[in-house]
Amino acid sequence: AQSVTQLGSHVSVSEGALVLLRCNYSSSVPPYLFWYVQYPNQGLQLLLKYTSAATLVKGINGFEAEFKKSETSFHLTKPSAHMSDAAEYFCAVSEGGYNKLIFGAGTRLAVHP
Amino acid sequence: GAGVSQSPSNKVTEKGKDVELRCDPISGHTALYWYRQSLGQGLEFLIYFQGNSAPDKSGLPSDRFSAERTGGSVSTLTIQRTQQEDSAVYLCASSRGTGANEKLFFGSGTQLSVL
Repeated sequence: AQSVTQLGSHVSVSEGALVLLRCNYSSSVPPYLFWYVQYPNQGLQLLLKYTSAATLVKGINGFEAEFKKSETSFHLTKPSAHMSDAAEYFCAVSEGGYNKLIFGAGTRLAVHP
Repeated sequence: GAGVSQSPSNKVTEKGKDVELRCDPISGHTALYWYRQSLGQGLEFLIYFQGNSAPDKSGLPSDRFSAERTGGSVSTLTIQRTQQEDSAVYLCASSRGTGANEKLFFGSGTQLSVL
């Protein structure tokens, strides 16, 4: 069965600093991988997804993630954090050929001035 | 509609009561999913609908949980004889097609509190 591990339940960065949120997955087949963001009191929103095309995936709001098969990782990065990036971020892998998503536990990102 | 709509947004109920949670997916979306977000368990898949049928119900926690979808549109998640451990945010999502690369749109959820 597939699983997702997100290292660090809380990450705090300064405004303008690099954001790095870690995600490792386990999958017996080539995976579809996703990053979702949840802003306070809002629903989940897709940031980006990997579907076996390019290994470097660009998403919304300046975020990107790189699929590394050798490391079974799909870390999320953003060069310069903005206050509005404060939210909870979830990494997920799909199972079953449809949108049955297996989510990681989430990482809460705080951005301070 | 413009997005996935869920009602009610908040529901407080007493232990042992039945509750119904409603989801209106985006018009034309054939796939519909229910997820649950709780403090202890994180985000969990509950059930998947393709049209009105549910090919995957594997995430439903117990036989107290059931869901149906009518007319290929609205879905209702029913929890019978609610327990305190059922307290969570219940999220509905829909996508145009059924593939894993289809974009999934989530509603804002129903916050269920069982006293």
